[in-house]
Amino acid sequence: NAGVMQNPRHLVRRRGQEARLRCSPMKGHSHVYWYRQLPEEGLKFMVYLQKENIIDESGMPKERFSAEFPKEGPSILRIQQVVRGDSAAYFCASSPPEPEGPTGELFFGEGSRLTVL
Amino acid sequence: LAKTTQPISMDSYEGQEVNITCSHNNIATNDYITWYQQFPSQGPRFIIQGYKTKVTNEVASLFIPADRKSSTLSLPRVSLSDTAVYYCLVGVLRAAGNKLTFGGGTRVLVKP
Repeated sequence: NAGVMQNPRHLVRRRGQEARLRCSPMKGHSHVYWYRQLPEEGLKFMVYLQKENIIDESGMPKERFSAEFPKEGPSILRIQQVVRGDSAAYFCASSPPEPEGPTGELFFGEGSRLTVL
Repeated sequence: LAKTTQPISMDSYEGQEVNITCSHNNIATNDYITWYQQFPSQGPRFIIQGYKTKVTNEVASLFIPADRKSSTLSLPRVSLSDTAVYYCLVGVLRAAGNKLTFGGGTRVLVKP
């Protein structure tokens, strides 16, 4: 009964390169959320996706960032032309199609830590 | 979404009870109050959720007064492993935008 799986756990990129972060939700979960956490700060919402659909991307920077959740395979957060300010922990969370409990619960992965040199 | 305010940090000792109060003056009628725990280098983990009065599970208790403008997470008899950041969230997971916002959280340090 695997939880939310994120890879890579650690990623080092040089400025200008691309970073791809992958997230496999828990079995049976069809909703995926991406959050970014800067050191010593809280988590900031980036994007909410369902299979093949972006539901809310209001927290995503307008440029260089994109996310997808294809019909088959993991969700991917893609950062093009990375800059030093992109260095952060990126967390993925998933939830089932119907919330369990009053408003449901988010199940988080262990995060992917991006370091931009 | 309702804004939350909680202490930046709290120190405690093993075996003591830790109470963390979160203020949410503009909580909406449909909003629930949810607490998450985050250990270093790990993703947040759901602890407890409530709407009003008191909720208790095997990990913690959540006290919510009648006006719902604040809530208190109570951790009984903490151990060193309870050292973590605790986040108070107010909202509805499926509400428009689904922008569940984690504030700065409360860093709890449990000392021996």
